[in-house]
Order: sequence, then C-alpha cells, then structure tokens
Amino acid sequence: KDQVFQPSTVASSEGAVVEIFCNHSVSNAYNFFWYLHFPGCAPRLLVKGSKPSQQGRYNMTYERFSSSLLILQVREADAAVYYCAVECENTGFQKLVFGTGTRLLVSP
Amino acid sequence: DSGVTQTPKHLITATGQRVTLRCSPRSGDLSVYWYQQSLDQGLQFLIQYYNGEERAKGNILERFSAQQFPDLHSELNLSSLELGDSALYFCASSEDPAGELFFGEGSRLTVL
Repeated sequence: KDQVFQPSTVASSEGAVVEIFCNHSVSNAYNFFWYLHFPGCAPRLLVKGSKPSQQGRYNMTYERFSSSLLILQVREADAAVYYCAVECENTGFQKLVFGTGTRLLVSP
Repeated sequence: DSGVTQTPKHLITATGQRVTLRCSPRSGDLSVYWYQQSLDQGLQFLIQYYNGEERAKGNILERFSAQQFPDLHSELNLSSLELGDSALYFCASSEDPAGELFFGEGSRLTVL
C-alpha cells in the first residue's frame, strides 16, 4: 500500500536546527514535497525535488525512500504542521501521497 | 494568498443532509484536486479533475461526488452525511496534472 510516514510531533527550542524525517512505501515515487500548514490557512509548498535542495531556512535531503526537512534557526513562529508528500506515477497519472503531518512545537 | 478560493469556510449540518463545497482554482490552473483532512489524519486524496474531466479517484465515498465546470471551478457534493464526515476539506489547483499544488484555506464541515 502506498503510504508516507512521518512523526506526529517534533519538539525543539528556538535557534536550533530541526529535522523532520519522512519515509515512504510508495511505488514509482520520484519527488518529495514538503508543505507547511498553519491552522486556518492554506497549506503552502516549502521545498520540493528529487535531489537535496534549499529554500531560505528550509533544507531538504533526498534519498530514494526518505527525505528530511531541516529548518535552520527555528523560531516560535515556525510552530505549525509540516506535511511530507511523495509524487508518483500510477496508471498513467501523477499523484501526491501525503503523510499525516508532523506538528512542530517550539519552546523559547 | 494562494489564489485558490473555497466556500463556505465553515458549515454545520445534521446527519443525513447534503452539502456542496465550492472551489475556484488559481487563474489559469486546469487541474483541481479535493482532499479530506479528518482529525489526526493527513491529507487524504479524494478526486482530481483536469479541464473538466475526472482524472483520478482516491478514497472518495460513493456518497460523495464532484465535478468541474467549464469555467474550471469545482464543486464537491457530500450526501447522506454521517458524523464521520466531519472534516476539513481542501481544494488545490495546479497548472497541469503533475504541477505544484496550490491549496485553498479549506472548508470545515461539522456534522451533528
């Protein structure tokens, strides 16, 4: 079954580097996407790709079956839910399989 | 602002009822996706439309249906509602079937 796994919660202190890990069992997967979701707002894309990449304070690692989102110099305002998604092709169409989300807790 | 608009933002209804959720995609986006997020669950893919045609189906119940209209807006119809249908329903759009998804803020459905 195509599934994406990520921890339900990660806790950190301000200023630290936070790592949120994701792995999957999705067939024919070729891209990872990391989305940020603040409650009441639209989830938005942070970083994506099939190789390590960086967007500002967000770094993404890439392995065939796993990826980590690294948030540098984490702030209290980064407290949100982070979704890992895997893009794959199945029966001729591309789709995203999402994990259940990781809630990031940041203490001062 | 993602450019994707969903209405209503909140909806409270009773079991057995039927509701319609509406989504306007970003200007120019041909693909529309519907996702369901229940309590402590991730984003569950329901259905995708591309330029008016159904493209892919996920875990969508038979009580649910959707369509995409010629102006590219989409509606998700939920009927014979049950308590377990209470969830946040997200719409997303993309330029093409494999493009980056842009999400709306969601419609929160509460079934009492």
